[in-house]
Amino acid sequence: ETGVTQTPRHLVMGMTNKKSLKCEQHLGHNAMYWYKQSAKKPLELMFVYSLEERVENNSVPSRFSPECPNSSHLFLHLHTLQPEDSALYLCASSQVWDRGYGYTFGSGTRLTVV
Amino acid sequence: DQQVKQNSPSLSVQEGRISILNCDYTNSMFDYFLWYKKYPAEGPTFLISISSIKDKNEDGRFTVFLNKSAKHLSLHIVPSQPGDSAVYFCAASERNYGQNFVFGPGTRLSVLP
Repeated sequence: ETGVTQTPRHLVMGMTNKKSLKCEQHLGHNAMYWYKQSAKKPLELMFVYSLEERVENNSVPSRFSPECPNSSHLFLHLHTLQPEDSALYLCASSQVWDRGYGYTFGSGTRLTVV
Repeated sequence: DQQVKQNSPSLSVQEGRISILNCDYTNSMFDYFLWYKKYPAEGPTFLISISSIKDKNEDGRFTVFLNKSAKHLSLHIVPSQPGDSAVYFCAASERNYGQNFVFGPGTRLSVLP
């Protein structure tokens, strides 16, 4: 596989469930990101891992917990979510300090919280 | 307060004509700009970029213009094709923040046959 792969593509979960989103990149990049896209809103940066260290947390609620075990894999652990957390969650990767082509995005996970 | 604005949520253009998508920014420290294109059920894909040392960059049918004094950039698509129908995002970054791009809300382009 090439590029950035996200699984699952769709997820429906109850507010008391615990689930995880997975992202894998095969581009040799050394930075990975989680973005949230809600309806009619700009893409919101949630977490950045650069060289496997988390460098930013934009005041994301603690019910979202990222994990980056290595430069190729990124997880977003979800627990006790709220209906307003329903959105498209996008993973992206890039090469640190090389802004040339920006990010390479995955296809996203469409999350619905019921 | 949004640092990157795309004031037109949608735009319709006839096939073969020019599409012009606009983007405004407020942060004068932004020095690198990207345009992304997004189809439904897919992630955004990189389209074209421009550095603040330039005022124009061209790639095939796509041209991006940057007006630093007005803090404005635009994407021109000529000629527009039905396959160009998608949501277009403008993104900007500061040198000192490396890869942390700030995105606009997007403009949905519909190219009518």
